[in-house]
Amino acid sequence: AQTVTQSQPEMSVQEAETVTLSCTYDTSENNYYLFWYKQPPSRQMILVIRQEAYKQQNATENRFSVNFQKAAKSFSLKISDSQLGDTAMYFCAFMTLGKLTFGQGTILTVHP
Amino acid sequence: NAGVTQTPKFQVLKTGQSMTLQCAQDMNHEYMSWYRQDPGMGLRLIHYSVGAGITDQGEVPNGYNVSRSTTEDFPLRLLSAAPSQTSVYFCASSYSGLAGMTGELFFGEGSRLTVL
Repeated sequence: AQTVTQSQPEMSVQEAETVTLSCTYDTSENNYYLFWYKQPPSRQMILVIRQEAYKQQNATENRFSVNFQKAAKSFSLKISDSQLGDTAMYFCAFMTLGKLTFGQGTILTVHP
Repeated sequence: NAGVTQTPKFQVLKTGQSMTLQCAQDMNHEYMSWYRQDPGMGLRLIHYSVGAGITDQGEVPNGYNVSRSTTEDFPLRLLSAAPSQTSVYFCASSYSGLAGMTGELFFGEGSRLTVL
């Protein structure tokens, strides 16, 4: 069974600063995808970024980037120039064999 | 472009009552799924479907029933509600291969269910 672990239940950061959210996963599969989803107070699940395991290059989307370490099974999310609108729950997710498994989530609060 | 539509958004039930959460998508996605979200546990897969007429169990299927008669609709039925089923429920859809989803999951807005 695949497992996804987010070891930081809560994080906080000052506006305009950088924060990194951690995620580790456990799998015996070689082909898979990794995602970060954002859930603001509105409850809507929003895809932030995705990474294909076969790609060595780390994915980036504007202020969001990942550090994908396949051998270490680590997939952290870096948010640069944090904004108040980044305040949300962030979920790391792992997809293989047609199913998506989520981590427990990290609550991120951006302070003005 | 409606995407994934869930109804109702809020529901309060008494123990033992039954109800159906509706889910519809207009993106012609073959893969549809139901998750429940509980504090400290992330989202857990209840049931999923890779196409009309095909359903399978996820991680936490007990107490829930699904069917998939059309590509667009994937209702979730609670046959006899229990307080342990108090949760937020999400329907999600995606493109699908033979084994399941192959791309990004598109989520509905969620349904908050309280069982007293």
